[in-house]
Amino acid sequence: GAVVSQHPSRVICKSGTSVKIECRSLDFQATTMFWYRQFPKQSLMLMATSNEGSKATYEQGVEKDKFLINHASLTLSTLTVTSAHPEDSSFYICSARLRVNNSPLHFGNGTRLTVT
Amino acid sequence: KNEVEQSPQNLTAQEGEFITINCSYSVGISALHWLQQHPGGGIVSLFMLSSGKKKHGRLIATINIQEKHSSLHITASHPRDSAVYICAVRLRSTSGTYKYIFGTGTRLKVLA
Repeated sequence: GAVVSQHPSRVICKSGTSVKIECRSLDFQATTMFWYRQFPKQSLMLMATSNEGSKATYEQGVEKDKFLINHASLTLSTLTVTSAHPEDSSFYICSARLRVNNSPLHFGNGTRLTVT
Repeated sequence: KNEVEQSPQNLTAQEGEFITINCSYSVGISALHWLQQHPGGGIVSLFMLSSGKKKHGRLIATINIQEKHSSLHITASHPRDSAVYICAVRLRSTSGTYKYIFGTGTRLKVLA
């Protein structure tokens, strides 16, 4: 089945640094990738929708200059958390859709970010 | 009120029990997904439904579009079924792209 690889699975960084998270579709072309944030014991919160070759669409309240999303190819999207702050510590997860109608969602395994 | 509501929020069952998790939504949808999130965080898509019923192994998912309700059933539950089960609805946004709304999840624990 379709596989989405997300890397790294865990990262610890210092305040003020930037962290890049990669989301790759391994065996299919993903027209659209979604980036979510999840707080403990809460549901997934959509941050942005990333379409290959175009600018990401950010949800209300998500700072696009802080959470930079790049979808340079049909198999790779990246989320960069810039000038990380302890309040950015969270679980980030991506998902991807195939380029077919009624494609199910395929999720990465998530990245746990801790900002110290 | 959330647009996607799940019940129960938490559920503890004994191994072998039949389990039902419910999802109600208040928006028009084009599909509904049932997802399983394991303690490590990874999410697996179990079903995508737009009508009727689907079965995969011990899992059964049903949806009633008129009543805006879906259920996920687990037969002969096993401790390895312990996870968070999330209902997600897909609706079409005004821009024509797909948009998803997630329920808050049902935390299931199956005891041996």
